Amino acid sequence: KAGVTQTPRYLIKTRGQQVTLSCSPISGHRSVSWYQQTPGQGLQFLFEYFSETQRNKGNFPGRFSGRQFSNSRSEMNVSTLELGDSALYLCASSVYSGSGDEQYFGPGTRLTVT
Amino acid sequence: GQNIDQPTEMTATEGAIVQINCTYQTSGFNGLFWYQQHAGEAPTFLSYNVLDGLEEKGRFSSFLSRSKGYSYLLLKELQMKDSASYLCAVRDSGGYQKVTFGTGTKLQVIP
Repeated sequence: KAGVTQTPRYLIKTRGQQVTLSCSPISGHRSVSWYQQTPGQGLQFLFEYFSETQRNKGNFPGRFSGRQFSNSRSEMNVSTLELGDSALYLCASSVYSGSGDEQYFGPGTRLTVT
Repeated sequence: GQNIDQPTEMTATEGAIVQINCTYQTSGFNGLFWYQQHAGEAPTFLSYNVLDGLEEKGRFSSFLSRSKGYSYLLLKELQMKDSASYLCAVRDSGGYQKVTFGTGTKLQVIP
């Protein structure tokens, strides 16, 4: 079974631009979560989607948004990029969104904002 | 909300045993995960505890005490490849459950 895939793997943008990242979960997984990872803050939860509905949201500004499609693929968008948005963005999928469900992580998208 | 604390770094010797602690303060609790993350790679699942006690899986064991808000990951017979960051994560309770990660413990295994 194929793992979680994320595209692109690396991205360089300039301040003020916007970016869209894509995540394809493991086949059959309906829950997709997004995280931002930086050396100082660790893994920070962005949001979770389940069956095309955002079910959880972390403490990030409204510039960060996402969506999930009927095939469970998910995208996240960051508008008006800031230097502080430079990070590794990880997507994780699980079968449900329930207790005990382990999350499988994709390789991440490394975003650099200059 | 969730507050999760782990030591930032640890060093241990190849072949030895190391215990990585995690304490948490939560408004709700529905399970604790441990993940391993090698540098430049994505986290991979190690263990899940929702009830008090010890869960053993090969060289790795994880312990949970819900009353104390405490967990540890025990790594036995350390190997050089165990050098990685170990992330403690807590799943919230409630209708919609989210997972909050600690900042991780960077373990260095030395010969």
